[in-house]
Amino acid sequence: EVQLVQSGAEVKKPGESLKISCQAFGYSFRSYWIGWVRQMPGKGLEWMGVIYPGDSGTRFSPLFQGHVTLSVDKSTGTAYMQWNSLKASDSAIYFCARGDGNNWGSYDYWGQGSPVTVSS
Amino acid sequence: QSELTQPPSASGAPGQRVTISCSGSNSNVGSNFVNWYRQVPGTAPQLLIYNNNQRPSGVPDRISGSKSGTSAYLAINGLKSEDEASYFCSVWDDSLNGRVVFGGGTRLTVL
Repeated sequence: EVQLVQSGAEVKKPGESLKISCQAFGYSFRSYWIGWVRQMPGKGLEWMGVIYPGDSGTRFSPLFQGHVTLSVDKSTGTAYMQWNSLKASDSAIYFCARGDGNNWGSYDYWGQGSPVTVSS
Repeated sequence: QSELTQPPSASGAPGQRVTISCSGSNSNVGSNFVNWYRQVPGTAPQLLIYNNNQRPSGVPDRISGSKSGTSAYLAINGLKSEDEASYFCSVWDDSLNGRVVFGGGTRLTVL
């Protein structure tokens, strides 16, 4: 069974760093893209970017380029998203999702979401 | 404000048909595949339609997608209470070096 299991809720202060994870089960991790989507409280979905575990190639939305870093650990089948300096406006739920790369907006399996709260 | 426009709300009685629209432009809907997601509050989105009109396995055939020009449509026949959720369209947009854009979402109420 395909599953994406994300790390738990985080509470951070502005300026702190954070790395959240998304571990894949039940399929060939290297063969599918992992996309990341932000959902701010009570709002819609925003596409942040994708990473291809096979070669760690990435593609970012201009809105998020330079603000987050995407990486993978192929040995554990885990994708990561990292911030070096959080802002209060980064408070949101972050979803990872699996895509095949043929249709960039199509993601067939999703993680449960990682809530992030940034507050002083 | 999203590049894709959806009505903020829709409603229908059990058993009825509801259609949700997603209006874009030549740089997104007009030239790329459209996808649709359902999201129940507190849960992750679920893919309902990809490549304009294809259903993933497990999605019932009472749910369908279509596209005409720069607008796409999601139709749900035989409404059930379990259909009450928010629905989002998504598509690749060729502008600004390219990125995926989502519609603002449509909250469907089953009366």
